[in-house]
Amino acid sequence: AQKVTQAQTEISVVEKEDVTLDCVYETRDTTYYLFWYKQPPSGELVFLIRRNSFDEQNEISGRYSWNFQKSTSSFNFTITASQVVDSAVYFCALSEATSYGKLTFGQGTILTVHP
Amino acid sequence: DAGVIQSPRHEVTEMGQEVTLRCKPISGHDYLFWYRQTMMRGLELLIYFNNNVPIDDSGMPEDRFSAKMPNASFSTLKIQPSEPRDSAVYFCASSSPARQLLNTEAFFGQGTRLTVV
Repeated sequence: AQKVTQAQTEISVVEKEDVTLDCVYETRDTTYYLFWYKQPPSGELVFLIRRNSFDEQNEISGRYSWNFQKSTSSFNFTITASQVVDSAVYFCALSEATSYGKLTFGQGTILTVHP
Repeated sequence: DAGVIQSPRHEVTEMGQEVTLRCKPISGHDYLFWYRQTMMRGLELLIYFNNNVPIDDSGMPEDRFSAKMPNASFSTLKIQPSEPRDSAVYFCASSSPARQLLNTEAFFGQGTRLTVV
């Protein structure tokens, strides 16, 4: 069975601080996909990134970066120079190879960025 | 494309009443998923369809819950009779198969916030 653990329930930072959200996963599949979704206070789920299990390259998109380490089954997410608008719940998720939509979600990390 | 469209956005109903949630997936997506979000259990998959056929309904909590997909552009999730513990946000999502290269992540609708009193 697949499992995703986000050990940090809540994180509070001050604007411009860097923050890293941790994600650890478990799966028996050799091919799988990892995701991060953002859920702002308005409630929708916003896709941020998808990574497949064969691609361990780190990725940077603006202030966002992701570190995928297969050896430790981790897929961590860093926000550099955080902003108040980054305040949201962030979910890490895992899917099997056949469908990106059959997701196993972590419990989410509530990020609050104070001005 | 307008994205995944769910209706209603909010639903308040009395215990024992039938509730029907609706979803229109993104055109061309042949996977459709229903998720439920609660404080206690987080986001959990209830059921998903491929080409309008239910593939896995192991997440459906009870027989009171049923889902249908009569065609590629419409799905319903029905709860009959509803109970207060069904109160949650229900999300619909759609995706295209993983073998395709573009836009294959799951796109979620805005969700339906259900309150059963």
